[in-house]
Amino acid sequence: EVQVVQSGPEVRKPGTTVKISCKFSGDTFGDYYIHWMRQAPGKGLQWLGLVDPEDGDTKFGDNVQGGVTMTADPSTDIAYLELTSLRSDDTAMYFCAADTKSLGSIYLDPWGQGTQVTVSS
Amino acid sequence: IQLTQSPSFLSASVGDSVSMTCRASQDISNYLAWYQQKPGKAPKLLIFTASTLHTGVSSRFSGSGSGTEFTLTIDSLQPEDFATYFCQQLAVYPRTFGQGTKLEIK
Repeated sequence: EVQVVQSGPEVRKPGTTVKISCKFSGDTFGDYYIHWMRQAPGKGLQWLGLVDPEDGDTKFGDNVQGGVTMTADPSTDIAYLELTSLRSDDTAMYFCAADTKSLGSIYLDPWGQGTQVTVSS
Repeated sequence: IQLTQSPSFLSASVGDSVSMTCRASQDISNYLAWYQQKPGKAPKLLIFTASTLHTGVSSRFSGSGSGTEFTLTIDSLQPEDFATYFCQQLAVYPRTFGQGTKLEIK
């Protein structure tokens, strides 16, 4: 069974950097894309982008700021989302989710449990 | 591609049947998924390719549509169905989500 487990909550000051992780297990990491989503308090889901663990290729959502980096480490089966120059409006729950390449990228499942990032001075 | 869900809020009682809509700004064929999200939890996949029920999801859920208009129907509402529902298009990049429909108990 494929599972993705995210790292714990983070608190940062404005202008700093945070890197959250998404540990994949249960199948071949390179056979999946890892997507990242953001959900601000009381709001809907924003698609941030994805990373392909096989070659590191990335795709980004519209209006995703330049301070977003997505990487994946095939040696550990972990994907990372790094946010730099944090602002208070980056305060949100961040989710990762797996996407099966062989099925033609037709859904996101499973999802991680979410990582709360709080940006406050 | 923009996805517009309606209504934004839906009030219903246990045992009712409800439907909600997701409209795409362009033709996305059947590349649409529906997710259920409860407060403080991650979204869960319900339906993919517009009408295919995900493994383990109750048959009370059904999806229909193609092109630009899609519908999620829930028959015989159960207490555990009261949640927020999101649609997502997987036809093109960037992937996008609808703004959600919150299903509340009347």
